[in-house]
Amino acid sequence: AQTIHQWPVAEIKAVGSPLSLGCTIKGKSSPNLYWYWQATGGTLQQLFYSITVGQVESVVQLNLSASRPKDDQFILSTEKLLLSHSGFYLCAWSPDRGGNTLYFGEGSRLIVV
Amino acid sequence: GDSVTQTEGQVALSEEDFLTIHCNYSASGYPALFWYVQYPGEGPQFLFRASRDKEKGSSRGFEATYDKGTTSFHLRKASVQESDSAVYYCALGENNYAQGLTFGLGTRVSVFP
Repeated sequence: AQTIHQWPVAEIKAVGSPLSLGCTIKGKSSPNLYWYWQATGGTLQQLFYSITVGQVESVVQLNLSASRPKDDQFILSTEKLLLSHSGFYLCAWSPDRGGNTLYFGEGSRLIVV
Repeated sequence: GDSVTQTEGQVALSEEDFLTIHCNYSASGYPALFWYVQYPGEGPQFLFRASRDKEKGSSRGFEATYDKGTTSFHLRKASVQESDSAVYYCALGENNYAQGLTFGLGTRVSVFP
């Protein structure tokens, strides 16, 4: 069975500080990986997706960047946080074929102060 | 661009009531349609999907039928329980499976005993 794990579970960070959020998927080779952002009480906004190692496509940047250093790992980062970065960050995976259905991790809660 | 409209922002029900959440979509192609459920502090969970006109998806007593004519995928459940209290999202995915899903704004369902 596939499992997806996100870290950290929650962070409180200062405006202007750097951020790194991670996501690892186990039990599935060559998954498509996704980052979504959710404001409190809001919908899910897709940020990035990746279909292979080293390749990341941006959907909405929000002054964030993403990288896929390994087949099973997806990283979301920024060098300088803004207040508007607060929210719930969700990593998801999809089978490389058979399409579309996303399976989400448990999320990382970020509060920027 | 593609979009999903959920008519109800919030729904309040008593146990054993009938639930309907309306979902309409706009897409240039022939998308796959999805329902997800999200409990507080968790990532969204996949409920079910449908990919063809008149196809019915179902899970956990919830069901929806893909209707290309009315561009709809309304969620229904005959008898809700308190444990069904959550936020429900309708989503669509285009034929290019790598690009992820577009989500509606969500419907908060509160079921009271």
